[in-house]
Amino acid sequence: EAGVTQFPSHSVIEKGQTVTLRCDPISGHDNLYWYRRVMGKEIKFLLHFVKESKQDESGMPNNRFLAERTGGTYSTLKVQPAELEDSGVYFCASSQGRTSGRDLYEQYFGPGTRLTVT
Amino acid sequence: GENVEQHPSTLSVQEGDSAVIKCTYSDSASNYFPWYKQELGKGPQLIIDIRSNVGEKKDQRIAVTLNKTAKHFSLHITETQPEDSAVYFCAASIRYSGGGADGLTFGKGTHLIIQP
Repeated sequence: EAGVTQFPSHSVIEKGQTVTLRCDPISGHDNLYWYRRVMGKEIKFLLHFVKESKQDESGMPNNRFLAERTGGTYSTLKVQPAELEDSGVYFCASSQGRTSGRDLYEQYFGPGTRLTVT
Repeated sequence: GENVEQHPSTLSVQEGDSAVIKCTYSDSASNYFPWYKQELGKGPQLIIDIRSNVGEKKDQRIAVTLNKTAKHFSLHITETQPEDSAVYFCAASIRYSGGGADGLTFGKGTHLIIQP
């Protein structure tokens, strides 16, 4: 079974530009989460999708960040316009949810996208 | 909201010795506590988790304990090996019946160094 994949692995952009990060969750996982780790700080929750719906976006820092999950499969996170403080590593995670009468909460993380804004 | 504190930030132990990492949480509603291991250049890897209806869980050399009253949980690694060297994160969340769970609140991480 393929794990969570993220693209690109690295992105270097200038302040004011736009960047779109992509996450492909494990096939069949209903729940998809975005997190980020800014240099020297802890991993912080950004938002949570259940299938194609936003369940919780309380961690999104501001309206320069837009997340979508087309058809409940892959997800994109767009930053527009990017600022210096957006630099960090962005992680995506997925969990299966309820299946065959069992609740599976374990979140599996992708390798992350390292975003550098100069 | 939830706040998770993790100690120590760095832990150096001799190969073969045990390592213990401790975390405290603030929200009494939290009921799911996973631990992740992150190696350089990789994403966090789930190594063990515990739910609030259990006090201890063990998987080979790794064990986790939970004290709900005191709101703290700990990771214990016995017979440490060089490949255990990594950054370890504790986290807390609220899980719901039906398979849903809130986003994880993480501790700041512990850099575990296994000295040969």
